[in-house]
Amino acid sequence: QVQLVESGGGVVQPGRSLRLSCAASGFTFSSYGIHWVRQAPGKGLEWVAFIWYDGSNKYYADSVKGRFTISRDNFKNTLYLQMISLRAEDTAVYYCARSAFVVSAPRPVDYWGQGTLVTVSS
Amino acid sequence: DIQMTQSPSSLSASVGDRVTITCRASQGIFNYLAWYQQKPGKVPELLIYAASTLQSGVPSRFSGSGSGTDFTLTISSLQPEDVATYYCQKYNSAPLTFGGGTKVEIK
Repeated sequence: QVQLVESGGGVVQPGRSLRLSCAASGFTFSSYGIHWVRQAPGKGLEWVAFIWYDGSNKYYADSVKGRFTISRDNFKNTLYLQMISLRAEDTAVYYCARSAFVVSAPRPVDYWGQGTLVTVSS
Repeated sequence: DIQMTQSPSSLSASVGDRVTITCRASQGIFNYLAWYQQKPGKVPELLIYAASTLQSGVPSRFSGSGSGTDFTLTISSLQPEDVATYYCQKYNSAPLTFGGGTKVEIK
């Protein structure tokens, strides 16, 4: 079965960096684009970033552009989100989420991880 | 960027009622629209994609319609297990913006 397991969350001070990881299993990781989606406590869903199946194209929300970098290692079946210059408003549960269908362009999410909580606080 | 506006932000209805949630895009997005259900304390689940195509395993009481800028999610007969927050999402191009959500409760 499809599994996405995020790790790397925690408490970090404003301005510092953090890298999230997402270990994928149960499907051909190298064939699917993957999203990061976040949800601040008690708030709605916010799309963060997307990477093509082969890593050749990446897209970001304006709120994180220039500060977050999405990447993947198809040999390790792992997705990453490098976050720098973190702000209080980046506090959220971060979900790794598979894009439905084996196509290049971003598509809706058909599988979600359980999420990892990032808290930005001094 | 295209904005996605959902209405209402919350609603309360009785079991068996027909419930309708709307999602409006600030520009046309053809049918590149998905709906998700997020139950309390759970991760979201995909209900509908391509505006009207039901994801596998989703009960047939859920349906979607619309194209261009105006979309609708309908629950034909509300059930207790449908208590959740519902989100729309555009995916014609990045950013893949979500709507603000509609919280559905039982009266």
